[in-house]
Amino acid sequence: EAQVTQNPRYLITVTGKKLTVTCSQNMNHEYMSWYRQDPGLGLRQIYYSMNVEVTDKGDVPEGYKVSRKEKRNFPLILESPSPNQTSLYFCASSFQGPHSPLHFGNGTRLTVT
Amino acid sequence: GEDVEQSLFLSVREGDSSVINCTYTDSSSTYLYWYKQEPGAGLQLLTYIFSNMDMKQDQRLTVLLNKKDKHLSLRIADTQTGDSAIYFCAETTNDYKLSFGAGTTVTVRA
Repeated sequence: EAQVTQNPRYLITVTGKKLTVTCSQNMNHEYMSWYRQDPGLGLRQIYYSMNVEVTDKGDVPEGYKVSRKEKRNFPLILESPSPNQTSLYFCASSFQGPHSPLHFGNGTRLTVT
Repeated sequence: GEDVEQSLFLSVREGDSSVINCTYTDSSSTYLYWYKQEPGAGLQLLTYIFSNMDMKQDQRLTVLLNKKDKHLSLRIADTQTGDSAIYFCAETTNDYKLSFGAGTTVTVRA
């Protein structure tokens, strides 16, 4: 089944403790992206990647890192999480950029205390 | 820059039509999208329209685009309880970013 898989679904952590949210897609998509969803703000793009070893900042990249060493994986790294990073995070992928339909994962709800 | 706005809530009776509105500011938008988010799930693409089109119909869904006013709407005919969800308007320009609105929560009442 074609899908985007994020792990974990739920995560509670403390300020400053490094964490990684994984994202994997099995559709051989070139484009992958991370978003955060906050009430009243919709989805805001954190980082995106057009292909392996190519990553770019979105609208809200501060406090986040990503890597794209393989086509299928696009992990989101929070080196020193803070409470304002408490949010619902979505990974998405598409065949070739945002002009082609995005496939979303089911989300990761992160709470930073 | 891009700025997509939508109303936050819509309540509609089962069987009626729903109309969800969206405004955007970037006149160079090439594609405009409607995504649907059901509880506990990610977003799913519902439909999209290219900027040189005025209207697109797909079964119960009708998308209208008014480029002059930068206004996009989604009409759902014969709204069902399964249509209860959050609907996001989104636009993409010539770069590789997709900008979303805040989402409209549609509640279908019996």
